[in-house]
Parts: sequence; C-alpha cells; structure tokens
Amino acid sequence: EVQLVESGGGLVQPGGSLRLSCAASGFTFSDYWLAWVRQTPGKGLEWVANIERDGSVTYYLDSVRGRFTISRHNAKNSVYLQMNSLKAEDTAVYYCVRDVKGGHFDHWGQGTLVTVSS
Amino acid sequence: DIQMTQSPSTLSASVGDRVSITCRASQTIRSWLAWYQQKPGKAPKLLIYKASTLENGVPSRFSGSGSGTEFTLTISSLQPDDFATYYCQQYNRQFTFGPGTKVHIK
Repeated sequence: EVQLVESGGGLVQPGGSLRLSCAASGFTFSDYWLAWVRQTPGKGLEWVANIERDGSVTYYLDSVRGRFTISRHNAKNSVYLQMNSLKAEDTAVYYCVRDVKGGHFDHWGQGTLVTVSS
Repeated sequence: DIQMTQSPSTLSASVGDRVSITCRASQTIRSWLAWYQQKPGKAPKLLIYKASTLENGVPSRFSGSGSGTEFTLTISSLQPDDFATYYCQQYNRQFTFGPGTKVHIK
C-alpha cells in the first residue's frame, strides 16, 4: 500500500523558516516524481513544487521560487520542502503527493498544517 | 498561467441522480486534465486522469470527457458516498486546480 506521511508543520513567525518532510513507503520511490501541494480555504488547492526522480530537475510556483526548496533522498525514501522567508499567505495545509511523470497526482499524504503568524 | 474554472460551484442532488460538472481552461490543455474528489478533513483522491481515464479502483459510475478547453465529470447515479467536493486540475503547463464544485444532498 502506498503511504506518504508528512511531518514538520507548525506555527512560525513571518520571515521564519520551516522544513517539511515526507516519508514514503509501498512503492519504488526512485521511480516517481514527487510534489508538494498546499490548500487554503481562500485560494483552494495550489501546486507548490515538484522534483524529478533523481532530483536533478525541480519546478516551483512563481510565488515561492527563491524562498522554497524541494529536495529528495532516494535512499531514505523521503522528500523535503525547505521553506524560508515565510509569509502569512504561505499559511496552508501542505500535502506530499506522488506525481505521475510530472502530471497528475495519484497518491496524497494526510497533510501537515503550516501557520505563519506573529 | 493557465486558469481553471468550474461550474456550478455548488450542486444539490439526490441519490440516484445523474450529475455533471464542467471545467474550463483559459487555453488549450489538450487532454491533460485530472479530476479529484475531496471529503472534509481528508486529502483529495484521484478519480480520472488524461481527461477520461478512470483511476484503478474508482467506480465506473464516474466518467470524464472533453479535450482542449472544456471538460466534464459525470456521475451516472449519485451514491451517498459521492457527496463531496470535486476539483479539476490541468497539467499541460505546470499545474493548476479549479476552485471546486461542492455536491451536497438536496
């Protein structure tokens, strides 16, 4: 069974940093792209970043490029999202998702809440 | 950026009804469209990809159609488990989701 388990969310002040982690199991991790998608009541679902199978290619939402970094460690079956210079508008539930060949998202984690507030 | 719209934003229906949700893209996305179902407090679940391909394990009462800029998700006979919010998502260029359609009980 495919499982994606996020951790690392929490409350952080504006301008602060947070690192999200996602532990994957139940599939050959290195065969798949991975992505982060966030959700807020106001903006709905929003793709944030994705990463190719060997980590050599990454893509970002314009509003997070330069502040967020997606990375992966295939030996640990894990993907990460380093978030710096956080803003209030980054407040959301962040989902780790399995990305089929840079396309649709066939498995989602349970989500982790990030709150940016003073 | 490719913008996605959905109509209606909310839909009232009864068990057994046939329901359809429309998704439109601001420019052509060929067939690079997925549909997801989300229930309160849960992550979205993939239903359909490449506009009309049913994901493994998804009931056959769900179907998708369309190409280019206009797409439809149809539930042939609404079941109690289908009351949820549905989202479309394009993946022709980066990824964009529609605002969602909430299906609730009439």
